[in-house]
Amino acid sequence: DIQMTQSPSSLSASVGDRVTITCRASQSISSYVNWYQQKPGKAPKLLIYVASSLQSGVPSRFSGSGSGTDFTLTISSLQPEDFATYYCQQTYSIPRAFGQGTKLEIK
Amino acid sequence: QLQLQESGPGLVRPSETLSLTCTVSGGSIRSSSCYWSWIRQPPGKGLEWIGSIYYSGSTYYSPSLKSRISISIDTSNNQFSLKLSSATAADTAVYYCARAYYDLSYAMDVWGQGTTVTVSS
Repeated sequence: DIQMTQSPSSLSASVGDRVTITCRASQSISSYVNWYQQKPGKAPKLLIYVASSLQSGVPSRFSGSGSGTDFTLTISSLQPEDFATYYCQQTYSIPRAFGQGTKLEIK
Repeated sequence: QLQLQESGPGLVRPSETLSLTCTVSGGSIRSSSCYWSWIRQPPGKGLEWIGSIYYSGSTYYSPSLKSRISISIDTSNNQFSLKLSSATAADTAVYYCARAYYDLSYAMDVWGQGTTVTVSS
């Protein structure tokens, strides 16, 4: 099974900051990584698919990059509504593993 | 607009079978472009992929749960279901159903709101 490891597990930042979250796969998964945002008590929301494609309706301050084993999610200028938990997920093989999550908190 | 809604008992006794249904509205479950998926989230923890089903009935399960789970589909009622046998407290979680869409390389773009299941006597 492919393992997905996110770093950091938590992050404190301020409105307007540029933030990067990293996800590493235990083996090469081409570009088959997705990123989700989850707010407390809500279902996850798809932000990025196949590493760098922005889901419809998602603000352009979100971007993704990477291929092979190393991937990043970047928020170019944090907005108050971006404070949430972020998960990566691989869709290269079964099981469709998620990373453990990165909690983004207000500094 | 496609919507998914989970339903089922909120309380399950230990050793019994957890059963949930996801009702799809605003679109057909017979779509050849989708897998229909179950994901769960224990309290305060991360997301765990449980398994997926195609409209034809083909299934894919998490190896860690494979011996206890069954996912089925009812195309006539636009629903798919999850059964998890021999439930324990470790199965207490919010359970989500979601659509994994071919055009997004099977990223999950539509989710239900989630339903909380507690395993307790």
